[in-house]
Amino acid sequence: DTGVSQDPRHKITKRGQNVTFRCDPISEHNRLYWYRQTLGQGPEFLTYFQNEAQLEKSRLLSDRFSAERPKGSFSTLEIQRTEQGDSAMYLCASSLAADTIYFGEGSWLTVV
Amino acid sequence: AQKVTQAQTEISVVEKEDVTLDCVYETRDTTYYLFWYKQPPSGELVFLIRRNSFDEQNEISGRYSWNFQKSTSSFNFTITASQVVDSAVYFCALSGVGTSYGKLTFGQGTILTVHP
Repeated sequence: DTGVSQDPRHKITKRGQNVTFRCDPISEHNRLYWYRQTLGQGPEFLTYFQNEAQLEKSRLLSDRFSAERPKGSFSTLEIQRTEQGDSAMYLCASSLAADTIYFGEGSWLTVV
Repeated sequence: AQKVTQAQTEISVVEKEDVTLDCVYETRDTTYYLFWYKQPPSGELVFLIRRNSFDEQNEISGRYSWNFQKSTSSFNFTITASQVVDSAVYFCALSGVGTSYGKLTFGQGTILTVHP
């Protein structure tokens, strides 16, 4: 059983550019979650999917952020017109229904 | 609103010492889950334990043990005979159930440094 996989692991982008992160959950996990973590803080919930349906979005997720999970498999998180405040680690996690939640290694974003 | 407080920002111990990481939570839910995760320098959050609010039994897993006390809203984590490999940031987290499951509220984390 492979773990949650995220790509890219690191991304440096110029302010104003768009970036996209991909998450591949553990096989057969129907729930997929996105979190954001800044230095010295605990992760903060952004959004989650049950299969392909996006069930909840945090107020942290501004209209520049969009997440998709086509066909209920992998998910993408896109940030448009990046700002320096978007610099953070973006964590993906998955679970089989209300079972254990497993996290990936995260995608570090630096906006310069 | 849910809240998790980890009062200890940093703890430093010498190898083989026992160490306890405190976690206090607030929730209006009667049913909820509590978690502990370990975050080594690589960044990945490593799952350690999940506890349902109805299960107040303490748990031991090797050198790790957890003390859940609903009366004081605490879920403390003890490492016995600490090792250098235990050095990491440890997070306590709280989740609701049903459609709220997985919407974790994390504490600020406790940085544990174990010196040889």
